[in-house]
Amino acid sequence: DIVMTQSPLSLPVTPGEPASIFCRSSQSLLYSNGDNYLHWYLQKPGQAPQLLIYLGSIRASGVPDRFSGSGSGTDFTLRISRVEAEDVGIYYCMHTVETPYTFGQGTKLEI
Amino acid sequence: QVQLVQSGAEVRKPGASVSISCKASGYTFTDFIMNWVRQAPGQRLEWMGWVIPASGDTRYSLKFQDRVTFTRDTSASTAYMYLNRLTAEDTAVYFCARLNALTKHYDLDYWGQGTPVTVSS
Repeated sequence: DIVMTQSPLSLPVTPGEPASIFCRSSQSLLYSNGDNYLHWYLQKPGQAPQLLIYLGSIRASGVPDRFSGSGSGTDFTLRISRVEAEDVGIYYCMHTVETPYTFGQGTKLEI
Repeated sequence: QVQLVQSGAEVRKPGASVSISCKASGYTFTDFIMNWVRQAPGQRLEWMGWVIPASGDTRYSLKFQDRVTFTRDTSASTAYMYLNRLTAEDTAVYFCARLNALTKHYDLDYWGQGTPVTVSS
């Protein structure tokens, strides 16, 4: 199975400041078609995860442009340009390059 | 709008079985693979497998394949998960989630609200 490792696990931030979360996979998530099958989710307290970024760098519908994703192969980054109070929760990376799909441990963003 | 609505919370004793339903609306049920993901308290999300509604074909995580069954009722646009021989380690919130394979993104773009399952004697 592909192991997904996130850092940091806890991220205290100040509103208006930037934040970055890193995700590393034990195998490349770059498929032969050129796409990286790495996705980012935010899980707010008591809710289901919601899709933020798919294929490594494409914002999902309705996601504010302060969120961006980058990376390829085994190393990926989620950036929030200016953190807002509503961004608190746990961020997960997930791969779907092969089964079983696996998730990172999660990064708890706290204001 | 796309919605996945799951059945309510369940409490079971060790050794028992549980079934959870996931009713889809707002899209063509047979066009998207339905996945099941669980989250034990304080743990990361864990993929359990998927069912292809159009065919009934399934793929299970090796961890669960001897205890879990996914089915679907296309006339009701509903997917089901059955998990047997429950232990306390199965206490978790169970989610259904749609795999966006139609656009080749292969992300889980819509999720159910989650069904808490508690296993306790």
